[in-house]
Amino acid sequence: AAGVIQSPRHLIKEKRETATLKCYPIPRHDTVYWYQQGPGQDPQFLISFYEKMQSDKGSIPDRFSAQQFSDYHSELNMSSLELGDSALYFCASSNPSGPGTGELFFGEGSRLTVL
Amino acid sequence: LAKTTQPISMDSYEGQEVNITCSHNNIATNDYITWYQQFPSQGPRFIIQGYKTKVTNEVASLFIPADRKSSTLSLPRVSLSDTAVYYCLVGVGDTGRRALTFGSGTRLQVQP
Repeated sequence: AAGVIQSPRHLIKEKRETATLKCYPIPRHDTVYWYQQGPGQDPQFLISFYEKMQSDKGSIPDRFSAQQFSDYHSELNMSSLELGDSALYFCASSNPSGPGTGELFFGEGSRLTVL
Repeated sequence: LAKTTQPISMDSYEGQEVNITCSHNNIATNDYITWYQQFPSQGPRFIIQGYKTKVTNEVASLFIPADRKSSTLSLPRVSLSDTAVYYCLVGVGDTGRRALTFGSGTRLQVQP
């Protein structure tokens, strides 16, 4: 079965550079979520989109922005990168059909290293 | 969003049953309880979800008391491959689209 696809899987950037991560949700999934997980930390929710509109917003820095496109894929844009942005970035998708059906399917993550 | 509290770590041996309890005192009426499993450097994986009483699937059972202020994930006969971090999340809401917030999970170590 198709899973959530994230690219790139690994990315190395210098401080103050920009980076873009891409997420391709499972087909027919209309909701996308972005999470950031630093070394040894728990996943932190950044932002989510439903039908191309921002749905929920978490602890996403102002330097970051995201959007969901007409084909439902999403991109997370990060500018003025800092050392602390080094983390695993997970994308998840879902297609809930009502209460209690919002299982999140996570991708394998994109590992960003800022030097 | 309801805050959850879980034990930081647990140890077990292969073949034993493991029960991980999560407290969520301020759970909302329309919140569901969901458990995820995460291996190092991998995305979390859905284990089980419930609203009240007991839910069972092929890998785990979820026990939720009537007041819903806590829940217990039960893993029968664990194996070494069950060594992972387990997260209890509360949310989802009426539409199922509300983002889930991960708290501090429980690191389960299964030994031979």
